[in-house]
Amino acid sequence: SYVLTQPPSVSVAPGKTARITCGGFNIGGYNVHWYQQKPGQAPVLVVYDDTDRPSGIPERFSGSKSGNAATLIISRVDAGDEADYHCQVWTRNGDHPVVFGGGTRLTVL
Amino acid sequence: QVQLVESGGGVVESGMSLRLSCAASGFKLRHYGMHWVRQAPGKGLEWVAVSWYDGSKTYYAGSVKGRFTISRDNSKNVLYLQMNSLTADDTSTYFCAKDSHGDGSGRMDSWGQGTLVTVSS
Repeated sequence: SYVLTQPPSVSVAPGKTARITCGGFNIGGYNVHWYQQKPGQAPVLVVYDDTDRPSGIPERFSGSKSGNAATLIISRVDAGDEADYHCQVWTRNGDHPVVFGGGTRLTVL
Repeated sequence: QVQLVESGGGVVESGMSLRLSCAASGFKLRHYGMHWVRQAPGKGLEWVAVSWYDGSKTYYAGSVKGRFTISRDNSKNVLYLQMNSLTADDTSTYFCAKDSHGDGSGRMDSWGQGTLVTVSS
């Protein structure tokens, strides 16, 4: 089945920009969604369809995609952004259509 | 506003069964695809199953296929997950999530708080 690869961890200083990648074969053919999950809480959608942002999500959160990777970009990072971030796609594979990446822990230094 | 509340989790012995429920409010369940997603302690998210808006089609992860059944009662706005032949590998927090599309092919735009299932061996 389809595989999405994320780095286990990313660290960034406050006020800087964090970039979290999500790699997958021909990922350009899929819509990529990103979820933020803080400890002990449910995931929250922060970016959908590669680049769109749900209402209520700060403009500091954005997404991009190029080649075989999608990227979640968090600008002007603050301590409240420290969380796990998960990417997800719908593959149209009837046997296993929904795939999540392994998740990335964002640490604010 | 959209609210999803899971229930039915607990501690069960290996080989036993459990049924989870997800009560939906703030929207009409019959219009949306719905997912179950689980998360083992300290691990990432694992998709479990999806149900189309009308329950006519369902799909499962290979790890649960043949053991778990997703279903819904749209008249009661409730989603279910029947879990049979449970093993220690099924120990996880189980989340229900609303999809933006009726066939479950969109994004998961609302999530419940999760219910913990612990399978003891």
